[in-house]
Amino acid sequence: DAEITQSPRHKITETGRQVTLACHQTWNHNNMFWYRQDLGHGLRLIHYSYGVHDTNKGEVSDGYSVSRSNTEDLPLTLESAASSQTSVYFCASTGQVKALNYGYTFGSGTRLTVV
Amino acid sequence: KNEVEQSPQNLTAQEGEFITINCSYSVGISALHWLQQHPGGGIVSLFMLSSGKKKHGRLIATINIQEKHSSLHITASHPRDSAVYICAPHAYNTDKLIFGTGTRLQVFP
Repeated sequence: DAEITQSPRHKITETGRQVTLACHQTWNHNNMFWYRQDLGHGLRLIHYSYGVHDTNKGEVSDGYSVSRSNTEDLPLTLESAASSQTSVYFCASTGQVKALNYGYTFGSGTRLTVV
Repeated sequence: KNEVEQSPQNLTAQEGEFITINCSYSVGISALHWLQQHPGGGIVSLFMLSSGKKKHGRLIATINIQEKHSSLHITASHPRDSAVYICAPHAYNTDKLIFGTGTRLQVFP
């Protein structure tokens, strides 16, 4: 069965370190998204990609970067982790609207703590 | 003003009650998702609809595109329905979702 997986599930890191969160999907979806979820803010878009070599900034992109070298993966990198980046991170993927493979699928989340 | 407004923000119910969660949005959309998130859990898409009504078990979702309004109904609510329900319109001509802040539902036995 197709799936979307995130790793690690939990991560503790120190301020200033570079951290990469992995997202891998086997839905063959073109579109992939990274969100963070914080109390009082709901889900906020960090970065997204509409296909290989395409990346775009979301509403809270400062301090984060992504790269898309293949269809399946969209790793999220925190360049220099800050305590304000302590959050739960969700990856999602979807096909295009009206396409047969349309349907938002979310990963199970990564809980990141920056100390 | 938020592009997506959900009400109520918090909802408490007794087992068996009929639940309604409302969502209003201000942007043009191509579809709308209702998402469910259990405490400490992942996010699951319950429905994706672009018109009319969909039913899955005890869950019913409706949408009125002209009025820019959607509702999620739960019939015969059960404690396992306790979760956060998030309305997420899919903005027209993009592939991005716009998220409501969610409705926290607690169903007591």
